[in-house]
Amino acid sequence: KAGVTQTPRYLIKTRGQQVTLSCSPISGHRSVSWYQQTPGQGLQFLFEYFSETQRNKGNFPGRFSGRQFSNSRSEMNVSTLELGDSALYLCASTHSSGGAETQYFGPGTRLLVL
Amino acid sequence: GENVEQHPSTLSVQEGDSAVIKCTYSDSASNYFPWYKQELGKRPQLIIDIRSNVGEKKDQRIAVTLNKTAKHFSLHITETQPEDSAVYFCAASGAGGSYIPTFGRGTSLIVHP
Repeated sequence: KAGVTQTPRYLIKTRGQQVTLSCSPISGHRSVSWYQQTPGQGLQFLFEYFSETQRNKGNFPGRFSGRQFSNSRSEMNVSTLELGDSALYLCASTHSSGGAETQYFGPGTRLLVL
Repeated sequence: GENVEQHPSTLSVQEGDSAVIKCTYSDSASNYFPWYKQELGKRPQLIIDIRSNVGEKKDQRIAVTLNKTAKHFSLHITETQPEDSAVYFCAASGAGGSYIPTFGRGTSLIVHP
């Protein structure tokens, strides 16, 4: 099976702009989670979508939003970008087995806000 | 919510030595503990995991141990090689029925040839 894919891989924006990132999960995986990774804060959970519904949400402001389509592909949007939004954004699709849920990560989108 | 502490933040070893990374978690209801390896510029990749009904698991040169009573788990890498150099993340999930993992801050492992 193909792995998790993310587009674009790199992005440069300026403050105040908005950005949309895309994630395609592993075929058959219905859950997609998004994380923000920064050197100082590690991996911070943004939100999780399952069957087109947001099922879990982390502690990020409303400028961060997402959605999931019927084919399980997911997008996340960040509006009114701030310098502090510069980070690697990772999505992960989830495989369930024996009561445990394992996450498989995409390569990430590196966002730089100037 | 769950809180995962990971130590050390940086670990430097000589090739062939063993490396141990330790994590503690706060919620005794957590029942799944994966470890991820992230090489520079690459995605985190699952290298080993353990469930709460198991005390130890091995896969070639890596092993993970879990002490539920003390609420800590550790990653052991034996006979380290330069290609083991990476950032390692521990995580815990399952508390409150949520499988969203809470990650530790990561350990940067440097293996000197």
